[in-house]
Order: sequence, then C-alpha cells, then structure tokens
Amino acid sequence: DQQVKQNSPSLSVQEGRISILNCDYTNSMFDYFLWYKKYPAEGPTFLISISSIKDKNEDGRFTVFLNKSAKHLSLHIVPSQPGDSAVYFCAATWNEKLTFGTGTRLTIIP
Amino acid sequence: KAGVTQTPRYLIKTRGQQVTLSCSPISGHRSVSWYQQTPGQGLQFLFEYFSETQRNKGNFPGRFSGRQFSNSRSEMNVSTLELGDSALYLCASSFGGGGQPQHFGDGTRLSIL
Repeated sequence: DQQVKQNSPSLSVQEGRISILNCDYTNSMFDYFLWYKKYPAEGPTFLISISSIKDKNEDGRFTVFLNKSAKHLSLHIVPSQPGDSAVYFCAATWNEKLTFGTGTRLTIIP
Repeated sequence: KAGVTQTPRYLIKTRGQQVTLSCSPISGHRSVSWYQQTPGQGLQFLFEYFSETQRNKGNFPGRFSGRQFSNSRSEMNVSTLELGDSALYLCASSFGGGGQPQHFGDGTRLSIL
C-alpha cells in the first residue's frame, strides 16, 4: 500500500522556467511533509518541509504547497537551474515514521 | 561537522550468506533510521532506533534486524540473503526523529550473486 505517491517518474524543464513536482498521499494522519533531492551515488539531501497546519512554505527558489483537502503536495522551483537535475522524493511523517514516495527524475534542459 | 557515515560503500555476497552494515550518525543525533532503495520502489522504511531502542519497524521479514549502541552508532544485519535483497541501503539520522529532517549517508550498495 503506497501511502505517498509520485505519479510522474520523470519531468523535463527548460532552464530558467518553473519546475513543479507533485505528490499525493492517502494517510490523513501525516503531520509533516518533506522534500528530498538525490544525486546518483549519494544519499538524499533534505530540501524543504511543511507542517500539516500550514499551506505554504518558502525557502529561496523552493516553495512547497500543501492542499490538505486534496491530499496533495507540490514543490515549485523557480527559476530552474542545471544543478537542479536530480531525483526528487516527497516524504511524510506520522508516529515518528517517515514514508517516501517513489521519486521523480527532474532534468533541466540548458 | 561530519555527516552520516556508512560502511562499507559496496558489498558483494552470495545467496544464503549474512551481512552486517554499519552507520555512524551525526554527532548528537539520537535517532537512526534504515531504508532500502530499489529501482521503482523508492525508499522503503526498514526500522528506526532511538536511544538504543527500536521505535518503529517497516514491513520487512525477520531476516532484517538492527541494533543501536550507546554512542548512537547503528548496525543492520540481513541473514540468509536472497537475490531480491540486492539494493542500496541508506541510513539516516536526526536529533529526535518525527518531523525533523533526516540526514542521509551515501548508502551501502549490496549485490547478491
């Protein structure tokens, strides 16, 4: 049972444009949502998080939006840069347990 | 400050053998979690230790076990290895777990022949 889903396995975006990565979840008990970025041969790196009581959190070029009624989470990257090319995982926590999605491979086209 | 360190980085074993992987968390972090990453499956949660106690467990068979020492270092053991155990095993640490961001090591790539 995949409680956190990333339905797009890959996404290509032109450099300078906005990248939007999406994530859906099923467990309404999740209390924190996080985004991680992963380069090949490295462990995931934490990017940004949002509490379930908020609907938006911004950190530089990265903004995470949470729509609790739709059980939907998105990460916006503006403007997209070549170094943003990586696999992005969304994750959610409940009861001290972190559940990851399957990841979306983002490719930034110069 | 030093990040999460996992050893070894690569390991090749044969079916039926057992393996022990090691993880040294960031200094001061008391929560250590283990994940299995396979193509198409994302990161699957194995277990989490906090102050030497297993606080959470994922849906893996009993062949997968772990422990945490008083210095917060953790080991993961897999017995009777199967071909399907070939994966990247990642360890992550955080100060207290829960919603706090976890810091990951670069993983141990385990290949079963």
